[in-house]
Amino acid sequence: SQQGEEDPQALSIQEGENATMNCSYKTSINNLQWYRQNSGRGLVHLILIRSNEREKHSGRLRVTLDTSKKSSSLLITASRAADTASYFCATDHLYGNKLVFGAGTILRVKS
Amino acid sequence: DTAVSQTPKYLVTQMGNDKSIKCEQNLGHDTMYWYKQDSKKFLKIMFSYNNKELIINETVPNRFSPKSPDKAHLNLHINSLELGDSAVYFCASSQDVWGVSSYNSPLHFGNGTRLTVT
Repeated sequence: SQQGEEDPQALSIQEGENATMNCSYKTSINNLQWYRQNSGRGLVHLILIRSNEREKHSGRLRVTLDTSKKSSSLLITASRAADTASYFCATDHLYGNKLVFGAGTILRVKS
Repeated sequence: DTAVSQTPKYLVTQMGNDKSIKCEQNLGHDTMYWYKQDSKKFLKIMFSYNNKELIINETVPNRFSPKSPDKAHLNLHINSLELGDSAVYFCASSQDVWGVSSYNSPLHFGNGTRLTVT
């Protein structure tokens, strides 16, 4: 299966703390994307990292990619209650023609 | 000025009925998709269309039939609904066609249609 796997499945932290979510996948990729889904809403694209990139930043988000380990991590720094959501990684596989989503990490930020 | 809009937001119906979900995007994108999200939040692609042409058709029962009257619209018709069809269905769009560009651009999602079959 090409499907990515996130861990942890659920994460509960206090406001102001950092949150780290991980994603592993099985086959070579063109790029990897992270999305956020608030309750009852559609997914929102956060950041895209290409296979030749190792790290990318966007505001309080930091994404790393290790193609040798076939894994990526999403770090949210100085978390806020509004960051409470599900976070999904999605992989764009070489020779594939679709974006494959993992099962997601549910993040809860307590104020 | 919603980018990807789908209707209805909620759909409750009985087994055996036929229903449709509509989707429209005003982003000028070439490609549109239908995804199904189950109760465990697992998101799986069902179909994708590029400029009204079907390019991805996953293993989906043929009771599901997508229709794209133009590149800004992709509707989903479901015949003979079953209990297992209960899920949230998401429409999405993107600029690029999978496999044509050197990478695949981000997806823009609608807010979903929660289908409940009783």
